[in-house]
Amino acid sequence: AQKVTQAQTEISVVEKEDVTLDCVYETRDTTYYLFWYKQPPSGELVFLIRRNSFDEQNEISGRYSWNFQKSTSSFNFTITASQVVDSAVYFCAQGTSYGKLTFGQGTILTVHP
Amino acid sequence: NAGVTQTPKFRILKIGQSMTLQCTQDMNHNYMYWYRQDPGMGLKLIYYSVGAGITDKGEVPNGYNVSRSTTEDFPLRLELAAPSQTSVYFCASSTRDLSNEKLFFGSGTQLSVL
Repeated sequence: AQKVTQAQTEISVVEKEDVTLDCVYETRDTTYYLFWYKQPPSGELVFLIRRNSFDEQNEISGRYSWNFQKSTSSFNFTITASQVVDSAVYFCAQGTSYGKLTFGQGTILTVHP
Repeated sequence: NAGVTQTPKFRILKIGQSMTLQCTQDMNHNYMYWYRQDPGMGLKLIYYSVGAGITDKGEVPNGYNVSRSTTEDFPLRLELAAPSQTSVYFCASSTRDLSNEKLFFGSGTQLSVL
């Protein structure tokens, strides 16, 4: 069975600080997909990134970056120079087929001005 | 661009009542899903469907039923509401293959059973 663990339940930072959200997953499958979703206070789920298990290349998108390390089964998410608008719940998820995702419990990020 | 539309947005039920959460998507996606999100928790899969006429149980199906008569619609039925079903419900859809796709989520239905 799949399991996703997000080590931090809540993180509080001051604007412009860098922050890293940790995600560790467990799976026996060789092909799988990893995701990060953002859930702002409005409640909707916003897709941030998808990563395939055979592609360990890290990715940067503006202030966001993701570090995928298969050897440690981790898929960490870093926000550089955080902003108040980054305040949200962030979910890491892992899936093997057709959208049956296993989600972590979420990390509540609060960015103070 | 409607995407995935869920109705209602909020609902309060009494114990033992029944209701249907509606979900429709206009992206011609074959795959549709129902997730629930309990307070402080991640999402858990209730039911999913890989196409019209085909449904299957997810991780937490007890107390729910689904049907998929069309590609667009995937309603979730609660027959005898219980307080344990108080949650936020998300419908989602995707194309067949996650290797180049993501889940598209609706805005959620907040359900309270009192």
